[in-house]
Amino acid sequence: KAGVTQTPRYLIKTRGQQVTLSCSPISGHRSVSWYQQTPGQGLQFLFEYFSETQRNKGNFPGRFSGRQFSNSRSEMNVSTLELGDSALYLCASSSGRSTVGYTFGSGTRLTVV
Amino acid sequence: QKEVEQDPGPLSVPEGAIVSLNCTYSNSAFQYFMWYRQYSRKGPELLMYTYSSGNKEDGRFTAQVDKSSKYISLFIRDSQPSDSATYLCAMSSTSGSRLTFGEGTQLTVNP
Repeated sequence: KAGVTQTPRYLIKTRGQQVTLSCSPISGHRSVSWYQQTPGQGLQFLFEYFSETQRNKGNFPGRFSGRQFSNSRSEMNVSTLELGDSALYLCASSSGRSTVGYTFGSGTRLTVV
Repeated sequence: QKEVEQDPGPLSVPEGAIVSLNCTYSNSAFQYFMWYRQYSRKGPELLMYTYSSGNKEDGRFTAQVDKSSKYISLFIRDSQPSDSATYLCAMSSTSGSRLTFGEGTQLTVNP
């Protein structure tokens, strides 16, 4: 069965631009969570979507937003990029009933220059 | 102060060694404790999870949780070069809630 697919794998953007990252969850999974991974901070929770509704949100500024479509695919958007937004962005999907059922994608490596 | 503290290493051991990885936490509400392994250029994959206190064994891996000390451990016996990866502890308060991760420990097992 196909895993969690994230596109693109790598991205280079300039400060002030915006970016959209995509995540296709495992078939049948209705929950999608996003995490930011940086050296020194580790993985930090951004937000979670379940059945097109944001169910949980982390402590990130409003420049970070997301959405989920009816087929459970999710996108996250970062506007007005800052150098500090350079990170690996990970998406994880689950059935929505259990935290231990999370499956992570390989991530999108975003570099802001 | 971070809710979950984990020594980032790096940790380098010879093949066959016993490896001990640890995390401490401050949030008493955490009840689910997980260990993830992350290879370079890959996402984290779940190795083991434990609910509340106690031990759990799976092959060469043993996870321990001591809620009274707010301390969790992962032991790897007979370590192999293929175990070289970053190991992340993660915790949550309820089954469906967000995960709080440690920073991760980078482990290298030398042949």
